[in-house]
Amino acid sequence: EAQVTQNPRYLITVTGKKLTVTCSQNMNHEYMSWYRQDPGLGLRQIYYSMNVEVTDKGDVPEGYKVSRKEKRNFPLILESPSPNQTSLYFCASGGGKHTYEQYFGPGTRLTVT
Amino acid sequence: RKEVEQDPGPFNVPEGATVAFNCTYSNSASQSFFWYRQDCRKEPKLLMSVYSSGNEDGRFTAQLNRASQYISLLIRDSKLSDSATYLCVVNHGFNKFYFGSGTKLNVKP
Repeated sequence: EAQVTQNPRYLITVTGKKLTVTCSQNMNHEYMSWYRQDPGLGLRQIYYSMNVEVTDKGDVPEGYKVSRKEKRNFPLILESPSPNQTSLYFCASGGGKHTYEQYFGPGTRLTVT
Repeated sequence: RKEVEQDPGPFNVPEGATVAFNCTYSNSASQSFFWYRQDCRKEPKLLMSVYSSGNEDGRFTAQLNRASQYISLLIRDSKLSDSATYLCVVNHGFNKFYFGSGTKLNVKP
């Protein structure tokens, strides 16, 4: 089954404790991206990657890091989480004939206290 | 000014009704346009891409008006299962995407 998976689905952590949210896709997509969704603000793009070792900033990259060492994986790293990073995070991938059509993972609900 | 703006709704319509949403975008260089639906904080799911000539998929029709910088989504013969939030998405090229905050649709029996 074609899918994008994220782990963990739910995470409660404390300020400053480094964490990683994993994202993996099995569709051989070149494009992958991370978004956060906050009430009233819609989804905002954090980082995206056009291919292995190619990443670029979206609209809200501050406080986040990413890496793309393999085509299928695109982890999101919060080196020192803060309460304003409490949000719902989605990973997405896209590629093939319609490069810009994205398919989303189930989301990770992060709470930073 | 927001890149993409949508009326948040909610649009409350009876089953069988026709309903239309608009979405405006600010960057005239925008290249690709999409509609996604999202159910109650679940992941967005692609509904349809929006092509310059307009396109139709069953009960759903999408239109693009580049001159006025808006896209529209028309849903005919609404079903209870159409109740969701509809997200307008715009791409400027360079693989950056901008999402509207969504329009909520409630279809009532």
